Amino acid sequence: AQSVTQLDSQVPVFEEAPVELRCNYSSSVSVYLFWYVQYPNQGLQLLLKYLSGSTLVKSINGFEAEFNKSQTSFHLRKPSVHISDTAEYFCAVSRISGNTPLVFGKGTRLSVIA
Amino acid sequence: DAGVIQSPRHEVTEMGQEVTLRCKPISGHNSLFWYRQTMMRGLELLIYFNNNVPIDDSGMPEDRFSAKMPNASFSTLKIQPSEPRDSAVYFCASSPPPSSGGPTDTQYFGPGTRLTVL
Repeated sequence: AQSVTQLDSQVPVFEEAPVELRCNYSSSVSVYLFWYVQYPNQGLQLLLKYLSGSTLVKSINGFEAEFNKSQTSFHLRKPSVHISDTAEYFCAVSRISGNTPLVFGKGTRLSVIA
Repeated sequence: DAGVIQSPRHEVTEMGQEVTLRCKPISGHNSLFWYRQTMMRGLELLIYFNNNVPIDDSGMPEDRFSAKMPNASFSTLKIQPSEPRDSAVYFCASSPPPSSGGPTDTQYFGPGTRLTVL
C-alpha cells in the first residue's frame, strides 16, 4: 500500500517570495509521483509529474519538484509566487502499471498575500 | 476537446433520498475513477473501472453506494439511501489506454459534484 504525507496544511507567503510545499511518501513498490492543484470550486489539474529520468521536473508556470528516492520526498518549489498561485496543492502517488488509482496527501493550502 | 463532464454540479437532498451522480469521461479514455473529497478524510478513491469493468471497489463505504459503467462514455454513482455523512464533493476522473500512446499515468478530473445531504 502507498501513503502520502503533506507536512503543512496551510502555507501563507508574501507575493514574490519563494515557497516550498513538502511531500513525503511511503510505498513498498515503485511509484509515479504527482502534484495536482485545485483552485476554489474547481476540479484538480495536473501541475507536474515524475515518472522516470531526471529527478527535477518543472511545470509551465514556474513550479518545480525534485524526486529524492533516499528521502522518499517530492517537494514542490517556486522561486517567486503570484497572487494567482493561491490554491490547494495535492501530492499524489500511483503504482507504476498504468491506469491505477492515485493515493493523495491531505493537501496544502497556499495563500499568497499581497 | 471536452474534458470530463459531471452532473449535477450541486445537489442538495434530504436524508433517505436516492442520489445519482453522473460522469462522462473524455472520449477514448478507458479508465474511470470515482473519488470523494471531505475535510476530514481528504481525497479518497471509491471505485475504478478499466474497460467498463469494476476493478477495485474497496473504497466504497458501504452497501448504500453503488457504481455502474454501462458503456465507455457514461458512469453513475448512486447513493441509496443518502445520509448526512455522505455530504462531500465527488470527483470523476478518466485516463487513456496504454495503446493510445498517451500518458496513461495522468488522470483528468471533472469539476466535481458537491453533495449536501440534510
